Amino acid sequence: QKEVEQDPGPLSVPEGAIVSLNCTYSNSAFQYFMWYRQYSRKGPELLMYTYSSGNKEDGRFTAQVDKSSKYISLFIRDSQPSDSATYLCAMSPYSGAGSYQLTFGKGTKLSVIP
Amino acid sequence: NAGVTQTPKFQVLKTGQSMTLQCAQDMNHNSMYWYRQDPGMGLRLIYYSASEGTTDKGEVPNGYNVSRLNKREFSLRLESAAPSQTSVYFCASSQPGRVGFFGQGTRLTVV
Repeated sequence: QKEVEQDPGPLSVPEGAIVSLNCTYSNSAFQYFMWYRQYSRKGPELLMYTYSSGNKEDGRFTAQVDKSSKYISLFIRDSQPSDSATYLCAMSPYSGAGSYQLTFGKGTKLSVIP
Repeated sequence: NAGVTQTPKFQVLKTGQSMTLQCAQDMNHNSMYWYRQDPGMGLRLIYYSASEGTTDKGEVPNGYNVSRLNKREFSLRLESAAPSQTSVYFCASSQPGRVGFFGQGTRLTVV
């Protein structure tokens, strides 16, 4: 079993829809949880960063972490065509040196149709 | 403010050739990383440097070496390239509370 599982999609939604993206994981040592957005032929761009369990909101984006279920989610409200990209979840254990050795999901490809 | 800069952006190598991928960051981050991204595999950590003067293996280090030249620069070397190393390579940097800033990638093809 891979440490991080993410449905690769593709996922196609109409403009304005609420999008839900999810990842599950098996490694209890993961403490930091991130969501990245990657446009075609570009580098990943950090969207959300959460430490331990809980919710975090930033504009149209909400990240949720449930460590008891080993499950993380990203919600996108009022989705826009510009949100069309691949979304990657990533996780890291705690490191006393302050570095983050990320384990990624395979990514979910999202298309928002005007 | 450039962030993380990788050179070259594209490269084609013949099997057995060597090359070095360069990475520099201007954010004064302590930690730097090399990842590779393959279709259907996601991003996987090759090597990382938690701080200047240290390097450690990640998930897929075989066939690679790294050098943390100074706080800004972290290079990845392929001593004898193999077709299995055809991939997109990403450099990243971070410091506590500021996670995972990625470069734009190097597309490497080994023929």
